[in-house]
Amino acid sequence: AQKITQTQPGMFVQEKEAVTLDCTYDTSDPSYGLFWYKQPSSGEMIFLIYQGSYDQQNATEGRYSLNFQKARKSANLVISASQLGDSAMYFCAMREGQGAQKLVFGQGTRLTINP
Amino acid sequence: DTGVSQDPRHKITKRGQNVTFRCDPISEHNRLYWYRQTLGQGPEFLTYFQNEAQLEKSRLLSDRFSAERPKGSFSTLEIQRTEQGDSAMYLCASSSWTSGRGGNEQFFGPGTRLTVL
Repeated sequence: AQKITQTQPGMFVQEKEAVTLDCTYDTSDPSYGLFWYKQPSSGEMIFLIYQGSYDQQNATEGRYSLNFQKARKSANLVISASQLGDSAMYFCAMREGQGAQKLVFGQGTRLTINP
Repeated sequence: DTGVSQDPRHKITKRGQNVTFRCDPISEHNRLYWYRQTLGQGPEFLTYFQNEAQLEKSRLLSDRFSAERPKGSFSTLEIQRTEQGDSAMYLCASSSWTSGRGGNEQFFGPGTRLTVL
C-alpha cells in the first residue's frame, strides 16, 4: 500500500486564489511527522511546512497552512493568495516512527498559477 | 551562510562505468541523507548517516551502490557498473537537532543529475 497518496497530478489556479493540495497517508504508528516540500523547475527541494502527529493545532507558515485531519489521515496543504512564483511541483512526505529519519514522499502535484 | 552543495551537478556516463558524487552538508549538521528521484516521481530514500555512522540503508541501495561519510562531514555516493536504470537525480539533504523546525527540517541540495547512456 502507498504510504503517501497525492491524487491530483496537476492543478491550475488563477493568481490570487487560494488552492488546496490533497495528501492522504497510511501508517499504524502513533508517532509520525508530515511535511510538504516545493520543487521548482530548478530542481531544489524547498521545505514549506511540518506537522507532528501529536501537534494539537494545524501548522501555519506564512501563506501556507496544513489542514491536518488525523482521523481521516489527511494532511492537505492550503496556499492562500497564490502567486505566479508558486508554480512548481509539490510533494507531501511522511516520517514514520519515533526517532525515524527517512522521508517517504508522494508522487507530487504539479501546480500551475495562471495570471 | 551556505546551504547543502553537491558536485557535480550533471554527469553523463556510459553504461558499465563507475561514478562518484559528493555532498557537502551545512557545516553544523550531523545528519546526512541521500535520495534518488526519477522523472515524474517523488524522491526515494537511499541511505542516512549520523556523523560518520551509516544508520539506515534502503533496499534500493543495491550492491553496486556504496555511500561513505568518513569524517562525519562530506559524503560520497558511488555507483559501480552503472546501468541505464540508474539515470536519475541524486539528492543529498542534511539536518541536525538544532536546525529548522525543531530538527524536523531536512535541507536539500541542488542534486546531481545522472544520465547513463
